[in-house]
Amino acid sequence: NAGVTQTPKFRVLKTGQSMTLLCAQDMNHEYMYWYRQDPGMGLRLIHYSVGEGTTAKGEVPDGYNVSRLKKQNFLLGLESAAPSQTSVYFCASSYSRGGGGNQPQHFGDGTRLSIL
Amino acid sequence: DAKTTQPPSMDCAEGRAANLPCNHSTISGNEYVYWYRQIHSQGPQYIIHGLKNNETNEMASLIITEDRKSSTLILPHATLRDTAVYYCIVRVDAGGTSYGKLTFGQGTILTVHP
Repeated sequence: NAGVTQTPKFRVLKTGQSMTLLCAQDMNHEYMYWYRQDPGMGLRLIHYSVGEGTTAKGEVPDGYNVSRLKKQNFLLGLESAAPSQTSVYFCASSYSRGGGGNQPQHFGDGTRLSIL
Repeated sequence: DAKTTQPPSMDCAEGRAANLPCNHSTISGNEYVYWYRQIHSQGPQYIIHGLKNNETNEMASLIITEDRKSSTLILPHATLRDTAVYYCIVRVDAGGTSYGKLTFGQGTILTVHP
């Protein structure tokens, strides 16, 4: 079972470069999330999506954009990378409320991004 | 979402039960208790969740006190592979305004010794 797959697993960028992180899930989940995790801090929510074609801001959305053109994919974009965006990025997905209430989130193994 | 308090670290011998406590004294009636763990360099892994009744699955048991102000995650026979950071999270229904957001605190570092 693939579950939640994130690509790439590692990436090094220079300041000002752009890139897109891809998250794919094969569980037919409605909700998808992007988090970042920094040393000594818990996961912080960047953006989320409650369904295909919809996205919304989380706690730390500045400097990021997202798109959910297909239900199974959730893309996180960095238009102009900054050193402060060096982090480990995790994607997660879950069923919607209608699919069973408080369904747990399932996470990918992360993308380790370094901005020089 | 209610704030949780966990001990920063715990040790456990391999093969013994690991009991991880969590205080959530400000929990509301519609808030669930979730447990996740994060093994080094991996994404968080869901373990178990509950509202007020005790729960058990193939990984662990969750014991919630009657007043719901605290809970305990029990790993019945800890192995070396259970060494991880364990997070206790309280959150409201995913359909509410919290959109299912999980707020991860510092968690408990559980070390299982041979």
